Amino acid sequence: AQSVTQLDSQVPVFEEAPVELRCNYSSSVSVYLFWYVQYPNQGLQLLLKYLSGSTLVKGINGFEAEFNKSQTSFHLRKPSVHISDTAEYFCAVVESNFGNEKLTFGTGTRLTIIP
Amino acid sequence: DTEVTQTPKHLVMGMTNKKSLKCEQHMGHRAMYWYKQKAKKPPELMFVYSYEKLSINESVPSRFSPECPNSSLLNLHLHALQPEDSALYLCASSQDKAEANYGYTFGSGTRLTVV
Repeated sequence: AQSVTQLDSQVPVFEEAPVELRCNYSSSVSVYLFWYVQYPNQGLQLLLKYLSGSTLVKGINGFEAEFNKSQTSFHLRKPSVHISDTAEYFCAVVESNFGNEKLTFGTGTRLTIIP
Repeated sequence: DTEVTQTPKHLVMGMTNKKSLKCEQHMGHRAMYWYKQKAKKPPELMFVYSYEKLSINESVPSRFSPECPNSSLLNLHLHALQPEDSALYLCASSQDKAEANYGYTFGSGTRLTVV
């Protein structure tokens, strides 16, 4: 069964500084990977996803992530953060084989932007 | 239409009440999901419907009863809930994995409070 680890529960960053949110996964088969953002009292919004192809994936709001199969990682990056990026960020994985529609989430990283 | 719509947005119910949560999507997605999210925790999968058939039940108590009347609608019937069932209930949908733009779309959730 797949699993996701987000080691950093909280990440404080100064405004306009770069940020990296770490995500590692575990699975015995190929996977699809996702990053979601959740603003307070709201649902989940897809930032970006990796299905296949280029390992560098660009998403919305200036975020990007790189899939590294050898390190089983899918870290999220942004070169310059804004106050509006303050939110909870979830990495998620689903196995790409037929069936097994279980999207599994990491425990989340709370990104706080310091003015 | 690229949204998953959940109603109601907020629900307060007593432990002896019967209520239902509704979820609707018109994107032609063939799988629909119910997730439960407690405060400061990641979403946890409850049920998966694939082509209108229940395919995954994550050992959810019988006081939660899902129903998929057609390919666009997903309901969650609630009966005799406990205060610890208070949470944000998220609905999601997804296309077939063979689709190039495969992914999960989440609704904004129903905030449930059991008193």
